[in-house]
Amino acid sequence: EAQVTQNPRYLITVTGKKLTVTCSQNMNHEYMSWYRQDPGLGLRQIYYSMNVEVTDKGDVPEGYKVSRKEKRNFPLILESPSPNQTSLYFCASSLSQSRGRYEQYFGPGTRLTVT
Amino acid sequence: AQSVTQLGSHVSVSEGALVLLRCNYSSSVPPYLFWYVQYPNQGLQLLLKYTSAATLVKGINGFEAEFKKSETSFHLTKPSAHMSDAAEYFCAVRGPGYSSASKIIFGSGTRLSIRP
Repeated sequence: EAQVTQNPRYLITVTGKKLTVTCSQNMNHEYMSWYRQDPGLGLRQIYYSMNVEVTDKGDVPEGYKVSRKEKRNFPLILESPSPNQTSLYFCASSLSQSRGRYEQYFGPGTRLTVT
Repeated sequence: AQSVTQLGSHVSVSEGALVLLRCNYSSSVPPYLFWYVQYPNQGLQLLLKYTSAATLVKGINGFEAEFKKSETSFHLTKPSAHMSDAAEYFCAVRGPGYSSASKIIFGSGTRLSIRP
């Protein structure tokens, strides 16, 4: 089944404790992206990757890191989480960012709480 | 640069009534437009997309949207609401081209409630 998977789905942690949220897609998609969703703000892009070893900042990159060593995986790293990073996080992928293949496929989300 | 505005953070309709969710966009280039739906505790799912092939776009679950360039709108409609349509709906816009600046911008979402 074609899908985007995220782990964990739920995470409660404390301020300053490094964490990683994994994202994997099995559709051979070139483009992957991380979003956070907060009430009344819609989805805001954190980082994105056009392809392996190519990443770039989105609208709200502060406090986050990413890497794209393999095409299928795009982990999100919080080196020192803070309470303002409490949010619902989504990973998404799309086939390509050329030739109109822009529609994105989303993972189920990771609800992160930082205390 | 692109932007998108969804009018109304919450819309409530009766079962069987017309659903109309409003989306206006701003784009300096011909846009690609999308509607996504998010059911409770799930990720976003593509409902439909506009890619300049036809101004009236049909999507899944009986939804459709019409691209109106003169009004810079891409409103989502469904003739008859069903209880299962209760969800949050997001409009999104993207400019054409393969560029790091051409990214999808999402609206703030509209929560649709259906009254029995």
